Amino acid sequence: QSVLTQPPSASGTPGQRVTISCSGSSSNIGTNTVNWYQQLPGTAPKLLIYSNNQRPSGVPDRFSGSKSGTSASLAISGLQSEDEADYYCAAWDDSLNGPVFGGGTRLTVL
Amino acid sequence: QVQLVQSGTEVKKPGASVKVSCKASGYTFTNYAMLWVCQAPGQRLEWMGWINTGNGNTKYSQKFQGRVTITRDTSASTVYMELSSLRSEDTAVYYCARVSSGWLPYYWGQGTLVSVSS
Repeated sequence: QSVLTQPPSASGTPGQRVTISCSGSSSNIGTNTVNWYQQLPGTAPKLLIYSNNQRPSGVPDRFSGSKSGTSASLAISGLQSEDEADYYCAAWDDSLNGPVFGGGTRLTVL
Repeated sequence: QVQLVQSGTEVKKPGASVKVSCKASGYTFTNYAMLWVCQAPGQRLEWMGWINTGNGNTKYSQKFQGRVTITRDTSASTVYMELSSLRSEDTAVYYCARVSSGWLPYYWGQGTLVSVSS
């Protein structure tokens, strides 16, 4: 099954800017949009970014997304302690006719 | 506001089946497809299948094909996911998720823990 590749961990200090990458292929990120989700421990994922770079209402503008070719990135600026969570990227895969997810990146705020 | 409310925790023995429900509210049920996604302990999110809530058409992931059945009851605005021939590796949290642009999850249910143990 096609999957998206993310770094397993990332870290930063309060106020810093961190980026999380997501690598895919021509059948998913290369031709379709990317969403990003935040998952706090013991809770359901929450939509953070949709359509590569759009924020749902209520999501702070500290969170931003971008896509280039078969890769995407999530940037978090002005890092806060409450940003400590797991972050997942997702894209529709035309080969599978279903969505694929990244393995998740655990963000630690030092 | 959009809400997806799932049924509660299930404890099953190997070989049994489980049926999880997901009741939607706050929007026109038949206008959006619903996905089912599972997450085993410490593992990534994994797509299981989706249902077109308008016409009932379904598509299942190859991994779960033959063991998973997704149905819907439009009168109750509810989607169901049934997984059969359960094994210990099926122990996971199962989420329903309503799609939006890009056919990706936009709203999520709270999750249902299914524990499979002898």
